[in-house]
Amino acid sequence: AQRVTQPEKLLSVFKGAPVELKCNYSYSGSPELFWYVQYSRQRLQLLLRHISRESIKGFTADLNKGETSFHLKKPFAQEEDSAMYYCALSGSNYKLTFGKGTLLTVNP
Amino acid sequence: GAGVSQSPSNKVTEKGKDVELRCDPISGHTALYWYRQSLGQGLEFLIYFQGNSAPDKSGLPSDRFSAERTGGSVSTLTIQRTQQEDSAVYLCASSTAPLVYEQYFGPGTRLTVT
Repeated sequence: AQRVTQPEKLLSVFKGAPVELKCNYSYSGSPELFWYVQYSRQRLQLLLRHISRESIKGFTADLNKGETSFHLKKPFAQEEDSAMYYCALSGSNYKLTFGKGTLLTVNP
Repeated sequence: GAGVSQSPSNKVTEKGKDVELRCDPISGHTALYWYRQSLGQGLEFLIYFQGNSAPDKSGLPSDRFSAERTGGSVSTLTIQRTQQEDSAVYLCASSTAPLVYEQYFGPGTRLTVT
């Protein structure tokens, strides 16, 4: 079975502060991990995926197989980063398993 | 180009009534997914269609839920004898391949069962 855990439902930081959204997963094989983001009144959209090792909007995420984690990080949070963030795992060839999400609020 | 569209955007229904939710995927996308987004529950996978293959219905919560996809394009999610616990946002997504590279989501249908 595949499972994704996002331990924080809510996360609040001040503008300019570092932010880390935690994600842990459970999967017996070799997973693909993703972060999706949903801004207020917008559609859910892919933010980044581990396989591409890219930085999007200043966010990065490293897959740590030893700790089974895929935490999302940004060194200096901006107010426009306020959104709901979902970590997702793909173990099979088509199904995404999502975490319950973390609502990030960046205060001015 | 046009993204995934869903209709209606909002639906209020009385308990016990049937509802149909519609999804128009991106043209050419062979894979289509339905999810349910409930407060505090994240996104719950419901059903997956890929081409002409038999759909994966493993996520449907009860036999009151069913879905079909006609002509490999438009999909309809039907909920019979709605219950209050069915209240949620129902999201549709499509992708270009059965492999999960990137799913494109629709705006969702907010269903409220009174």
